[in-house]
Amino acid sequence: DAGVIQSPRHEVTEMGQEVTLRCKPISGHDYLFWYRQTMMRGLELLIYFNNNVPIDDSGMPEDRFSAKMPNASFSTLKIQPSEPRDSAVYFCASSLPRTYGGYTFGSGTRLTVV
Amino acid sequence: SQQGEEDPQALSIQEGENATMNCSYKTSINNLQWYRQNSGRGLVHLILIRSNEREKHSGRLRVTLDTSKKSSSLLITASRAADTASYFCAPFYNQGGKLIFGQGTELSVKP
Repeated sequence: DAGVIQSPRHEVTEMGQEVTLRCKPISGHDYLFWYRQTMMRGLELLIYFNNNVPIDDSGMPEDRFSAKMPNASFSTLKIQPSEPRDSAVYFCASSLPRTYGGYTFGSGTRLTVV
Repeated sequence: SQQGEEDPQALSIQEGENATMNCSYKTSINNLQWYRQNSGRGLVHLILIRSNEREKHSGRLRVTLDTSKKSSSLLITASRAADTASYFCAPFYNQGGKLIFGQGTELSVKP
Protein backbone atom coordinates (compact mmCIF):
# COMPACT_ATOMS: atom_id res chain seq x y z
CA ASP A 1 0.00 0.00 0.00
CA ALA A 2 1.26 3.48 -0.85
CA GLY A 3 0.10 4.88 2.47
CA VAL A 4 -1.89 8.06 2.95
CA ILE A 5 -1.35 10.31 -0.05
CA GLN A 6 -1.64 14.06 0.20
CA SER A 7 -1.43 16.64 -2.52
CA PRO A 8 0.03 19.06 -3.19
CA ARG A 9 3.17 18.78 -1.03
CA HIS A 10 3.69 22.52 -1.11
CA GLU A 11 1.27 25.33 -1.85
CA VAL A 12 2.00 29.03 -1.99
CA THR A 13 -0.96 31.28 -2.53
CA GLU A 14 -1.95 34.88 -2.14
CA MET A 15 -4.21 36.09 0.60
CA GLY A 16 -7.85 35.89 -0.41
CA GLN A 17 -7.41 32.97 -2.79
CA GLU A 18 -9.15 29.62 -2.40
CA VAL A 19 -6.97 26.69 -1.42
CA THR A 20 -7.91 23.02 -1.73
CA LEU A 21 -5.89 20.28 -0.06
CA ARG A 22 -6.44 16.66 -1.01
CA CYS A 23 -6.08 13.36 0.75
CA LYS A 24 -6.36 9.72 -0.25
CA PRO A 25 -6.58 7.44 2.79
CA ILE A 26 -5.41 3.86 3.02
CA SER A 27 -7.87 1.48 1.43
CA GLY A 28 -10.03 -0.15 4.10
CA HIS A 29 -9.44 2.52 6.71
CA ASP A 30 -12.78 3.91 7.80
CA TYR A 31 -11.56 6.91 9.80
CA LEU A 32 -9.99 10.01 8.29
CA PHE A 33 -8.51 12.94 10.21
CA TRP A 34 -7.30 16.40 9.22
CA TYR A 35 -4.66 18.05 11.44
CA ARG A 36 -2.84 21.36 11.25
CA GLN A 37 0.65 21.90 12.69
CA THR A 38 2.33 25.18 13.53
CA MET A 39 5.19 26.06 15.82
CA MET A 40 2.94 28.17 18.01
CA ARG A 41 -0.07 25.88 18.35
CA GLY A 42 1.43 22.46 17.78
CA LEU A 43 -0.67 19.74 16.16
CA GLU A 44 -4.37 20.60 16.12
CA LEU A 45 -7.18 18.25 15.11
CA LEU A 46 -9.47 20.08 12.71
CA ILE A 47 -12.09 17.49 11.76
CA TYR A 48 -12.54 13.76 11.42
CA PHE A 49 -14.78 11.45 9.44
CA ASN A 50 -16.04 7.93 9.99
CA ASN A 51 -17.35 6.05 6.96
CA ASN A 52 -17.32 9.34 5.01
CA VAL A 53 -19.51 11.12 7.58
CA PRO A 54 -18.09 14.08 9.55
CA ILE A 55 -18.12 13.17 13.23
CA ASP A 56 -16.44 16.10 14.95
CA ASP A 57 -15.59 19.41 13.32
CA SER A 58 -15.14 21.36 16.55
CA GLY A 59 -11.52 22.05 15.67
CA MET A 60 -12.30 23.83 12.42
CA PRO A 61 -11.15 27.36 13.17
CA GLU A 62 -13.62 29.39 11.14
CA ASP A 63 -16.29 29.20 8.50
CA ARG A 64 -13.57 29.82 5.97
CA PHE A 65 -12.57 26.18 6.46
CA SER A 66 -14.62 23.32 5.08
CA ALA A 67 -13.95 19.62 4.58
CA LYS A 68 -15.66 16.95 2.55
CA MET A 69 -15.34 13.24 2.04
CA PRO A 70 -17.43 12.31 -1.01
CA ASN A 71 -16.27 8.69 -0.96
CA ALA A 72 -14.08 6.31 0.99
CA SER A 73 -10.98 7.07 -1.04
CA PHE A 74 -10.92 10.85 -1.17
CA SER A 75 -11.20 13.89 1.09
CA THR A 76 -10.64 17.61 0.64
CA LEU A 77 -9.96 20.48 3.00
CA LYS A 78 -10.81 23.85 1.55
CA ILE A 79 -9.92 27.30 2.80
CA GLN A 80 -11.79 30.19 1.24
CA PRO A 81 -10.64 32.93 1.46
CA SER A 82 -7.15 32.13 2.70
CA GLU A 83 -5.28 34.37 5.15
CA PRO A 84 -1.59 34.55 6.14
CA ARG A 85 -2.40 33.03 9.56
CA ASP A 86 -3.55 29.86 7.80
CA SER A 87 0.07 29.16 6.89
CA ALA A 88 0.90 25.77 8.40
CA VAL A 89 1.53 22.15 7.57
CA TYR A 90 -1.72 20.28 7.07
CA PHE A 91 -1.72 16.54 7.70
CA CYS A 92 -4.24 13.92 6.78
CA ALA A 93 -4.32 10.61 8.66
CA SER A 94 -6.41 7.48 8.42
CA SER A 95 -7.05 4.50 10.64
CA LEU A 96 -9.12 1.47 11.39
CA PRO A 97 -11.17 1.83 14.58
CA ARG A 98 -8.66 3.15 17.08
CA THR A 99 -8.69 0.21 19.40
CA TYR A 100 -7.15 -1.86 16.65
CA GLY A 101 -4.15 0.25 15.86
CA GLY A 102 -2.67 3.62 15.29
CA TYR A 103 -3.04 6.34 12.76
CA THR A 104 -1.17 6.44 9.48
CA PHE A 105 -0.22 9.99 8.54
CA GLY A 106 0.43 11.43 5.13
CA SER A 107 3.51 13.51 4.39
CA GLY A 108 1.58 16.73 4.77
CA THR A 109 0.92 19.82 2.69
CA ARG A 110 2.98 22.88 3.57
CA LEU A 111 0.74 25.88 2.95
CA THR A 112 2.13 29.38 2.73
CA VAL A 113 -0.29 32.27 2.34
CA VAL A 114 1.41 35.54 1.39
CA SER B 1 -7.76 18.40 28.39
CA GLN B 2 -7.67 15.22 26.30
CA GLN B 3 -4.09 15.51 25.24
CA GLY B 4 -1.12 13.82 26.79
CA GLU B 5 1.57 15.96 28.37
CA GLU B 6 5.10 14.92 27.45
CA ASP B 7 8.10 15.51 29.65
CA PRO B 8 10.79 16.68 29.15
CA GLN B 9 10.12 19.12 26.33
CA ALA B 10 13.63 18.57 25.00
CA LEU B 11 16.26 15.91 25.58
CA SER B 12 19.82 15.77 24.28
CA ILE B 13 21.92 12.63 24.63
CA GLN B 14 24.94 10.92 23.10
CA GLU B 15 24.65 8.05 20.68
CA GLY B 16 24.51 4.75 22.54
CA GLU B 17 22.79 6.19 25.60
CA ASN B 18 19.22 5.42 26.58
CA ALA B 19 16.46 8.02 26.20
CA THR B 20 13.43 8.13 28.46
CA MET B 21 10.37 10.23 27.78
CA ASN B 22 7.34 10.51 30.01
CA CYS B 23 3.67 11.16 29.39
CA SER B 24 0.84 12.05 31.74
CA TYR B 25 -2.86 12.15 31.01
CA LYS B 26 -6.06 13.07 32.79
CA THR B 27 -8.75 10.39 32.77
CA SER B 28 -9.29 6.70 32.09
CA ILE B 29 -8.03 5.52 28.74
CA ASN B 30 -8.69 2.67 26.35
CA ASN B 31 -5.12 2.73 25.04
CA LEU B 32 -2.14 5.04 24.72
CA GLN B 33 -0.09 5.47 21.58
CA TRP B 34 3.38 6.83 20.89
CA TYR B 35 4.37 8.51 17.65
CA ARG B 36 7.58 9.85 16.16
CA GLN B 37 7.93 12.82 13.84
CA ASN B 38 11.09 13.47 11.91
CA SER B 39 11.66 17.03 10.83
CA GLY B 40 9.42 17.97 7.90
CA ARG B 41 7.60 14.63 7.88
CA GLY B 42 4.31 13.20 9.08
CA LEU B 43 3.92 11.36 12.35
CA VAL B 44 4.75 7.68 12.43
CA HIS B 45 2.98 5.31 14.77
CA LEU B 46 5.50 3.51 17.01
CA ILE B 47 3.59 1.48 19.54
CA LEU B 48 0.18 1.12 21.18
CA ILE B 49 -0.31 -0.08 24.73
CA ARG B 50 -3.76 -1.04 25.98
CA SER B 51 -5.08 -0.05 29.40
CA ASN B 52 -4.82 -3.63 30.67
CA GLU B 53 -1.14 -3.90 29.68
CA ARG B 54 1.74 -2.70 31.84
CA GLU B 55 4.68 -3.05 29.51
CA LYS B 56 5.28 -3.53 25.82
CA HIS B 57 8.39 -3.94 23.70
CA SER B 58 9.13 -3.30 20.06
CA GLY B 59 12.75 -3.61 19.00
CA ARG B 60 14.70 -0.99 20.95
CA LEU B 61 11.51 0.58 22.27
CA ARG B 62 10.01 -0.19 25.66
CA VAL B 63 6.75 1.38 26.77
CA THR B 64 5.29 1.19 30.25
CA LEU B 65 1.86 2.21 31.43
CA ASP B 66 0.77 2.95 34.98
CA THR B 67 -2.96 3.57 34.96
CA SER B 68 -3.03 4.31 38.70
CA LYS B 69 -0.69 7.24 38.12
CA LYS B 70 -2.11 8.02 34.68
CA SER B 71 1.33 8.00 33.19
CA SER B 72 3.38 6.25 30.54
CA SER B 73 7.03 6.21 29.60
CA LEU B 74 8.88 5.49 26.38
CA LEU B 75 12.42 4.15 26.62
CA ILE B 76 14.67 4.03 23.59
CA THR B 77 17.71 1.88 24.28
CA ALA B 78 21.10 2.26 22.61
CA SER B 79 20.01 5.41 20.82
CA ARG B 80 21.23 6.30 17.35
CA ALA B 81 21.55 9.60 15.54
CA ALA B 82 18.61 8.47 13.38
CA ASP B 83 16.40 8.51 16.49
CA THR B 84 16.61 12.31 16.47
CA ALA B 85 12.98 13.39 16.17
CA SER B 86 9.99 14.63 18.15
CA TYR B 87 8.06 12.04 20.11
CA PHE B 88 4.39 12.37 20.99
CA CYS B 89 2.13 10.39 23.25
CA ALA B 90 -1.59 10.24 22.50
CA PRO B 91 -4.08 8.86 25.01
CA PHE B 92 -7.14 7.31 23.43
CA TYR B 93 -10.15 7.66 25.67
CA ASN B 94 -13.15 5.46 25.82
CA GLN B 95 -15.41 8.07 24.28
CA GLY B 96 -14.86 10.76 21.71
CA GLY B 97 -12.73 8.61 19.52
CA LYS B 98 -10.03 11.05 18.58
CA LEU B 99 -6.34 11.49 19.31
CA ILE B 100 -5.22 14.86 20.59
CA PHE B 101 -1.47 15.44 20.51
CA GLY B 102 0.56 17.50 22.94
CA GLN B 103 3.71 19.46 22.23
CA GLY B 104 5.93 16.39 22.23
CA THR B 105 9.47 15.71 23.40
CA GLU B 106 12.20 16.84 21.05
CA LEU B 107 15.00 14.26 21.18
CA SER B 108 18.45 15.04 19.86
CA VAL B 109 20.95 12.20 19.64
CA LYS B 110 24.48 13.40 19.00
CA PRO B 111 26.94 11.15 17.18
